[in-house]
Amino acid sequence: DAKTTQPPSMDCAEGRAANLPCNHSTISGNEYVYWYRQIHSQGPQYIIHGLKNNETNEMASLIITEDRKSSTLILPHATLRDTAVYYCIVRGYNTDKLIFGTGTRLQVFP
Amino acid sequence: SQTIHQWPATLVQPVGSPLSLECTVEGTSNPNLYWYRQAAGRGLQLLFYSVGIGQISSEVPQNLSASRPQDRQFILSSKKLLLSDSGFYLCAWITRPASGEQFFGPGTRLTVL
Repeated sequence: DAKTTQPPSMDCAEGRAANLPCNHSTISGNEYVYWYRQIHSQGPQYIIHGLKNNETNEMASLIITEDRKSSTLILPHATLRDTAVYYCIVRGYNTDKLIFGTGTRLQVFP
Repeated sequence: SQTIHQWPATLVQPVGSPLSLECTVEGTSNPNLYWYRQAAGRGLQLLFYSVGIGQISSEVPQNLSASRPQDRQFILSSKKLLLSDSGFYLCAWITRPASGEQFFGPGTRLTVL
């Protein structure tokens, strides 16, 4: 079973920041938070991951709360091409297995 | 650079027929390989994973099987397809040591009629 909870859908205006929340209240100390996205009819694409600290790369920022029970993926300037299903995944340090939930369907509109 | 191939891209098969989906990876060695299935409108379900030649771990009981005859080849098979086997099948790989960043192939869309 997935160890995360995400809203089923969200909308965002093009050019605005998209903030996608994820709850992982049962996360343990050695588990990472990963974000992937899946554009329709394609395989999932890795976005970002983190353990405790906030992370940023060319695609997005990941904000993890101090108690690590939730996180937020931020797409700073959403484009129409960011329309996709976004998956928040908790992965143990000693395993490669990713358990996907149902994700959040982000719709970016003009 | 690393590349992952899957074929066929789409497949329509009758119930009771056999299945063979192939996945190959280029540009890496000793990858961990994974098979996922995504039913229509659902999330991804991990079916099998392999850490090396001939080593297969099954995540869910079903009428599918997997084999890894070569380091960079992963095959998903069935002797008799069921309607419930329809879905989008994705192969993924990860290098060792594990980074958590799995790379997914383009997928095979299987329709069982």
